[in-house]
Amino acid sequence: GAVVSQHPSWVICKSGTSVKIECRSLDFQATTMFWYRQFPKQSLMLMATSNEGSKATYEQGVEKDKFLINHASLTLSTLTVTSAHPEDSSFYICSASRSTGGAYEQYFGPGTRLTVT
Amino acid sequence: ILNVEQSPQSLHVQEGDSTNFTCSFPSSNFYALHWYRWETAKSPEALFVMTLNGDEKKKGRISATLNTKEGYSYLYIKGSQPEDSATYLCAFIRGNKLVFGAGTILRVKS
Repeated sequence: GAVVSQHPSWVICKSGTSVKIECRSLDFQATTMFWYRQFPKQSLMLMATSNEGSKATYEQGVEKDKFLINHASLTLSTLTVTSAHPEDSSFYICSASRSTGGAYEQYFGPGTRLTVT
Repeated sequence: ILNVEQSPQSLHVQEGDSTNFTCSFPSSNFYALHWYRWETAKSPEALFVMTLNGDEKKKGRISATLNTKEGYSYLYIKGSQPEDSATYLCAFIRGNKLVFGAGTILRVKS
C-alpha cells in the first residue's frame, strides 16, 4: 500500500513553454502533498506544501507564480512550471501524506526529470 | 550544525563487506529522524523512523542507531549485496517539514 505515481517521468521542453507534472496517490487519500526539487549532488529541497482544497504554502525563495500547484482532489496534485527557462531544469519529486501537515509520514513518487532547452 | 549532513558522499564496497554511514543533524528541538533508501528510477522507500535517543532499529541486514544529544545517526549494512546499491537519505523534521541530507551513494560490486 501507499503508492504514489508521477507523470511524466521525464520531459524536455522549450524555453518559454509551460510544463505540468502530475502526482497521484494510487491507493490512499492524500490530505497533504509536498513538492521537492533536487539539483545534482544536492539534497531534496522542499518547494511547497499543499492541502486538498486550499492554496499551497510555498517555501521562501520559491516563486508561486512560476510554480503553480493545484491540489484539487485527495488523490491528485499538479505542479505547473510556467514560462520555463533552462535554470528550471531539475529533478522534481512529490510526496503524499494521509494526515494534515503530514511531515512525519510521507510516501514519495519516483520523480520527474525536467530539461528545458 | 544547522542542517543535515551525510557522509561519505559515496562509497564503493565489495559484496560481503559491511559498511556504515553517518547522518548529522541539529540536536536542538529534535522530533524524529527518517532514513530512506532510493534506488535509481524508483521512489524513495522509508527504512526507519527514529524518535528516541539511543534508539536502535533493524530491518534484515540493515540497522540504524540514533544519538539525539550529539545529533547523529548511523546506518549499518551487514554483508552488503549488489541489491543494496542505492542512495541512502536521512531527513529530520523541522517544524512540519522534512529537511534532507544530500545522501550517501552506495555501490556494491559483486
